[in-house]
Amino acid sequence: QKEVEQNSGPLSVPEGAIASLNCTYSDRGSQSFFWYRQYSGKSPELIMSIYSNGDKEDGRFTAQLNKASQYVSLLIRDSQPSDSATYLCARAGNTPLVFGKGTRLSVIA
Amino acid sequence: GAVVSQHPSWVICKSGTSVKIECRSLDFQATTMFWYRQFPKQSLMLMATSNEGSKATYEQGVEKDKFLINHASLTLSTLTVTSAHPEDSSFYICSATPARDSETQYFGPGTRLLVL
Repeated sequence: QKEVEQNSGPLSVPEGAIASLNCTYSDRGSQSFFWYRQYSGKSPELIMSIYSNGDKEDGRFTAQLNKASQYVSLLIRDSQPSDSATYLCARAGNTPLVFGKGTRLSVIA
Repeated sequence: GAVVSQHPSWVICKSGTSVKIECRSLDFQATTMFWYRQFPKQSLMLMATSNEGSKATYEQGVEKDKFLINHASLTLSTLTVTSAHPEDSSFYICSATPARDSETQYFGPGTRLLVL
């Protein structure tokens, strides 16, 4: 079982809709989670981190963490074509960040 | 804050030559720096973890004698690809972890290497 799993997509949503990106992890001891965005040909950039169960909002982005179910999600409200990218979920622990393979999001104008 | 730079942003070299890539944390001290490689349409692959003043820890399958890593200061790490071959052509990305936040990684913009 992979440590961090994401649906590779592509996930296509119309402009203005909510995009929902999901990630599951296998290590119950994981405490910290991160979402990165990677545009094609560019390096990843940090969107947000989440450490506690529940929701964390930052602008149009909301991260959700459920440690009991071992999943973390990222919601993007009012999706824009500029949000089209690959979104990487990562978990921290005693080792370097473990990344999922990423979900490709396509926002259709 | 938390800006990481890389130099050069792209490099083309002949097979058999060595290439050095620099990674700098511009506005923070980085206790740990990481080097990744990413082939087209593939996911990030961690190559090695380096801590200032100590030897890098390489991931399984990464040749330490081919990919030399030096982390001489809290703001600079270098990756040298020795005797580069066409199969080393890839996107090399570094990341750095601030001393104040040991879990968050901030990525540099990456270096695209093409070996002819």
